[in-house]
Amino acid sequence: DADVTQTPRNRITKTGKRIMLECSQTKGHDRMYWYRQDPGLGLRLIYYSFDVKDINKGEISDGYSVSRQAQAKFSLSLESAIPNQTALYFCATSGRAETQYFGPGTRLLVL
Amino acid sequence: SQKIEQNSEALNIQEGKTATLTCNYTNYSPAYLQWYRQDPGRGPVFLLLIRENEKEKRKERLKVTFDTTLKQSLFHITASQPADSATYLCALSSGGYQKVTFGTGTKLQVIP
Repeated sequence: DADVTQTPRNRITKTGKRIMLECSQTKGHDRMYWYRQDPGLGLRLIYYSFDVKDINKGEISDGYSVSRQAQAKFSLSLESAIPNQTALYFCATSGRAETQYFGPGTRLLVL
Repeated sequence: SQKIEQNSEALNIQEGKTATLTCNYTNYSPAYLQWYRQDPGRGPVFLLLIRENEKEKRKERLKVTFDTTLKQSLFHITASQPADSATYLCALSSGGYQKVTFGTGTKLQVIP
């Protein structure tokens, strides 16, 4: 089984809809991250959490919110989706070491 | 502002040759630098980490160098194979509770 799982893997939604992307990990890591990836722009950090009680904004947090429900779960919400939020979204985890472990990604299309 | 630069143009090399990818950074004092591999539509996978006090790191056919004076890291794949074709990302962090910042990646194509 994969160490970091993301659901859904693909999602098509309409402008204005609220959606949630979920991430679960079995690595026992405290640190979790949400990134989006766009062609030519690379990975950009949306939010990160260093433990269950810690939530931090990344470089592009506007329009997004997160919830750290447990050490193993970190969800990303788009309260009112807009077309420029169409992207590939990745969840990642890391332990005390700096290496990040990524999930398989969620491809989101906002019409 | 902090900036990480990787060659946005794809690198095409012949099978068996050594591929060399470059990562330059500015306005940054990283404690360590990492290289990741990403295949299309998939999440990045960690390859190597090198710390600021290390000059070189090797793992099988991979070699990373880190020059904090030049603010540059070189990533080498020796005896390259078509299976090495992918996008390679460098990532920097100041360590501790600092986030990791990724470059945009360089696409490598190994031609049989």
